[in-house]
Amino acid sequence: KNEVEQSPQNLTAQEGEFITINCSYSVGISALHWLQQHPGGGIVSLFMLSSGKKKHGRLIATINIQEKHSSLHITASHPRDSAVYICAVTFGNEKLTFGTGTRLTIIP
Amino acid sequence: EPEVTQTPSHQVTQMGQEVILRCVPISNHLYFYWYRQILGQKVEFLVSFYNNEISEKSEIFDDQFSVERPDGSNFTLKIRSTKLEDSAMYFCASRATPNAFFGQGTRLTVV
Repeated sequence: KNEVEQSPQNLTAQEGEFITINCSYSVGISALHWLQQHPGGGIVSLFMLSSGKKKHGRLIATINIQEKHSSLHITASHPRDSAVYICAVTFGNEKLTFGTGTRLTIIP
Repeated sequence: EPEVTQTPSHQVTQMGQEVILRCVPISNHLYFYWYRQILGQKVEFLVSFYNNEISEKSEIFDDQFSVERPDGSNFTLKIRSTKLEDSAMYFCASRATPNAFFGQGTRLTVV
């Protein structure tokens, strides 16, 4: 059974700070997803990665398959980045197994 | 950009009533999922659906739950006799590639 752990659970930072959210998982996977959930509840997929690094705007996601670890970075954080960030893993086209999420609050 | 749509966005129902949550997945996707998130908890897998049948279901997905793809476009989750503990946000997702697309969710409140 794959367990997905995220840290920290809560993170408060000042606008402009560099943010790092970590995710580790217990068994081999085919892909890892980073998702964003806003207060209204909807989930948006940010990244899907199986190796290396991806960048989209101010967001960067990295994964180390050997260490079973991934990080999500936000550069030049902004209050609109405030949300819950969720790591989820999958095998092929099977279900996603979710972490508990990291609640990020960016203070102006 | 293609999107998964869910209706209704919010439903309030009395305990013991049947509810049907509706989803329209992205049209060329082949794999469909229902997940739920109880308030303050993590998202949990309910069921996956492929080739017009259930491919996997969780322990949560008992006889009170069923899924259908009645007309090739809609994907529904039915709860036959709702319980208070069924109150949650229910998400539909679809995928044809490794990337998953989520609907905005249906907030179900059982009173």
